[in-house]
Amino acid sequence: ETGVTQSPTHLIKTRGQQVTLRCSSQSGHNTVSWYQQALGQGPQFIFQYYREEENGRGNFPPRFSGLQFPNYSSELNVNALELDDSALYLCASSVSGTENEKLFFGSGTQLSVL
Amino acid sequence: SQKIEQNSEALNIQEGKTATLTCNYTNYSPAYLQWYRQDPGRGPVFLLLIRENEKEKRKERLKVTFDTTLKQSLFHVTASQPADSATYLCALESGGGYNKLIFGAGTRLAVHP
Repeated sequence: ETGVTQSPTHLIKTRGQQVTLRCSSQSGHNTVSWYQQALGQGPQFIFQYYREEENGRGNFPPRFSGLQFPNYSSELNVNALELDDSALYLCASSVSGTENEKLFFGSGTQLSVL
Repeated sequence: SQKIEQNSEALNIQEGKTATLTCNYTNYSPAYLQWYRQDPGRGPVFLLLIRENEKEKRKERLKVTFDTTLKQSLFHVTASQPADSATYLCALESGGGYNKLIFGAGTRLAVHP
C-alpha cells in the first residue's frame, strides 16, 4: 500500500455533467500529479500541483482543473463531461527534488460517462 | 514529442524462466527512466529507476538496462513466478520538470506454472 487514497472508487455520470475526484497524498509528500488512463493504455499526465499551485500541465483542455490544499490533498474537477472522459483517473504523490523522482499512486477512480 | 513503444502483445513464459520486456523511445534522451508494475484495478507501483549515466540496475530478481544510443531499456524478471504476472509500464521523465512522466502502454506478462 502506498498511503495514497482516492475517492470515490467508481463513478457513473452522464455527458455534460461535472465531476470532482479527491486524493489524499502520502504523509510527507508535497507534490501531487493526476493521470488519466484509458483502457489498454498507459497513464497520461493531466497536471501537477506543488505548494497549491499548478506546476505543469499535459495536453488536456481547460475543463480539466484542479486544486491542492494546505494539507497537500487534492481535487480533480472535470466540467462538461464527454464520453471520451471515461477512464481510470490516478492520483500520484511525491516529494519534489532530485533523488525523489518516483511516484506513489493511489488505486484510482474509475469514471464512466454515459 | 516523446513517444514510447512497448510490446503490445502479452508475453507468456514458463515459471522459472527469465522474462525480458522492451521499452523503446524516440526523440530526446531522458535524464532517467522508470519501470512500474500495474495489477488489474490498481494503480501502478514503482519498481526501479535508472539514470542516463547508468547502464544497469538490479533489485532482487529484477534487472533494468538503459542504452541511450539505441534509445532502449530492457526489463528482466529472472526466475519468474506466477505472482510476477502483471502489466509492466515503462515511463520517461518528460523534460517538463520533476516527476512529470510519459508512460508507455505497458506489456502484460503472464507466467504459467
